[in-house]
Amino acid sequence: DQQVKQNSPSLSVQEGRISILNCDYTNSMFDYFLWYKKYPAEGPTFLISISSIKDKNEDGRFTVFLNKSAKHLSLHIVPSQPGDSAVYFCAASKSNFGNEKLTFGTGTRLTIIP
Amino acid sequence: DGGITQSPKYLFRKEGQNVTLSCEQNLNHDAMYWYRQDPGQGLRLIYYSQIVNDFQKGDIAEGYSVSREKKESFPLTVTSAQKNPTAFYLCATSTRSTQETQYFGPGTRLLVL
Repeated sequence: DQQVKQNSPSLSVQEGRISILNCDYTNSMFDYFLWYKKYPAEGPTFLISISSIKDKNEDGRFTVFLNKSAKHLSLHIVPSQPGDSAVYFCAASKSNFGNEKLTFGTGTRLTIIP
Repeated sequence: DGGITQSPKYLFRKEGQNVTLSCEQNLNHDAMYWYRQDPGQGLRLIYYSQIVNDFQKGDIAEGYSVSREKKESFPLTVTSAQKNPTAFYLCATSTRSTQETQYFGPGTRLLVL
């Protein structure tokens, strides 16, 4: 049972435009969400996160939006740059001290076209 | 230079052989995790440890074993019982205070000969 879903395996966006990556989750107990960026043959790097008490978190070119009623979050990258080409993983956690685990989606490969 | 070190970068295993993947951190993080990544799939949790001398099974622990004798080290052994060990293995760490955010090492690719 895939509790965190990224339904688009790939996305291509023109340089300078906005990239929107989507993620859906099924477990209503999830209350913390993260986005990771991964280059080939490297470990993922943490990008941005959001707690369920917020509906938006912004960090430079990256903004994450959370819609709890729809169990949906999205990552916006604007403007998109060639270095943004990577695989992006959405992850979710149930904050329960001593038992935190991350559940990852299957990833979306973003390609920025120069 | 702080960080998470995984060695080796590539590892070859013969049929029926146990192999051990190393993960070392000097971030003073309490929690450590092992994930496996297969093509087209997300990261799946193998084992995790919140504190020294304690660890728990993740979602796909069968065929794997771990130890946590030191805070800095969390080695993963892929045993001969793991029938499909070819994958990219990732180690991660987190602090107690921000345990939802995990930081990853560079990974080890395991290939079966």
